[in-house]
Amino acid sequence: EDKVVQSPLSLVVHEGDTVTLNCSYEVTNFRSLLWYKQEKKAPTFLFMLTSSGIEKKSGRLSSILDKKELFSILNITATQTGDSAVYLCAVRTNFGNEKLTFGTGTRLTIIP
Amino acid sequence: DADVTQTPRNRITKTGKRIMLECSQTKGHDRMYWYRQDPGLGLRLIYYSFDVKDINKGEISDGYSVSRQAQAKFSLSLESAIPNQTALYFCATSEGEDTQYFGPGTRLTVL
Repeated sequence: EDKVVQSPLSLVVHEGDTVTLNCSYEVTNFRSLLWYKQEKKAPTFLFMLTSSGIEKKSGRLSSILDKKELFSILNITATQTGDSAVYLCAVRTNFGNEKLTFGTGTRLTIIP
Repeated sequence: DADVTQTPRNRITKTGKRIMLECSQTKGHDRMYWYRQDPGLGLRLIYYSFDVKDINKGEISDGYSVSRQAQAKFSLSLESAIPNQTALYFCATSEGEDTQYFGPGTRLTVL
């Protein structure tokens, strides 16, 4: 059974801090790993990672994948209150059929 | 205007009733998906469709059915709703294996 595990489950930090969110996976036939941010309702896409060791960056957010050790991290530097959200990690596999397995998410709270 | 819309946004119904949730997209994507989200369980795939003639079961398809009426429309039906189908339901679209774009969600409560 495919598994995606995120840690920590929740995190509370002060504005300006840097945070690292973790996602580890055990899946068959890995194709890509995706990060999403979920605020009030719908998840919004952040990054898609397919190759090991190549950092994806967007402003203060960055992410990297390690396919040998089966994990990814999402870094947020100089956090702001608008970064408060649930961050979801998902792994896409393809073993005959499309499958996207989500972790349960990390709830990040930024205190002003 | 939103690219992926879902109707209704909230629905309360009784056990045994038939419910249809609708999803429309203006992104022109070929792939559409239905997920449910439950506290502590994350998002789980119910059904997905790669084009109008292609429908596939996801991880938790029992108790659900879908219809892809057109490239832009994908509806999810609960033939006889039960309380453990109370959840937040999301529709999503993607162009090939590219990222998925989610609709705003439908909160369904089955009493």
